Amino acid sequence: NAGVTQTPKFQVLKTGQSMTLQCAQDMNHEYMSWYRQDPGMGLRLIHYSVGAGITDQGEVPNGYNVSRSTTEDFPLRLLSAAPSQTSVYFCASRGGNNQPQHFGDGTRLSIL
Amino acid sequence: TQLLEQSPQFLSIQEGENLTVYCNSSSVFSSLQWYRQEPGEGPVLLVTVVTGGEVKKLKRLTFQFGDARKDSSLHITAAQPGDTGLYLCAGNTGGFKTIFGAGTRLFVKA
Repeated sequence: NAGVTQTPKFQVLKTGQSMTLQCAQDMNHEYMSWYRQDPGMGLRLIHYSVGAGITDQGEVPNGYNVSRSTTEDFPLRLLSAAPSQTSVYFCASRGGNNQPQHFGDGTRLSIL
Repeated sequence: TQLLEQSPQFLSIQEGENLTVYCNSSSVFSSLQWYRQEPGEGPVLLVTVVTGGEVKKLKRLTFQFGDARKDSSLHITAAQPGDTGLYLCAGNTGGFKTIFGAGTRLFVKA
């Protein structure tokens, strides 16, 4: 059982470039989220989805877009990368409001 | 703004010592989770607590949820080098969003 799969694991971008971080889960979870993790700041919610076709903004949504065309996939798009977006990005899924999160292994992203 | 404060931020101890990590908030949580994260990996769930005053044990780890469901603690007895990692607490308020603490980075020296 793969759980939550994120690709790529590492990426280096130049300022202004765009890219998509992929996330897929095989647990049939309705809820999926994207977080960024920065030193001393914990995990901050970027965007989330409570089901296919439904997305909403989290705590730090600026500069990122998401879509949820299927239950399994929840890609995160950086529209025009900025150095402030250098971070480790985690995708997570869960089965309901009070259920624990299942995390992927993260994407380490550096913007030069 | 809802906050979940974890302390201490860093902890370096010798193998065999005991330690306690705290997680405090002014918010009431319907449930609270503790996760452990190792370098290059995502957080992995250790435990979920849902009832005020609840105590759960996982081998040498003891988790407690405060009576008012605003705080929690993680106690490790006789720490081992394999306990080294980042420990995160996370609270659910009943809605979708989960609030994460900033984490406690634990290093256990052999």
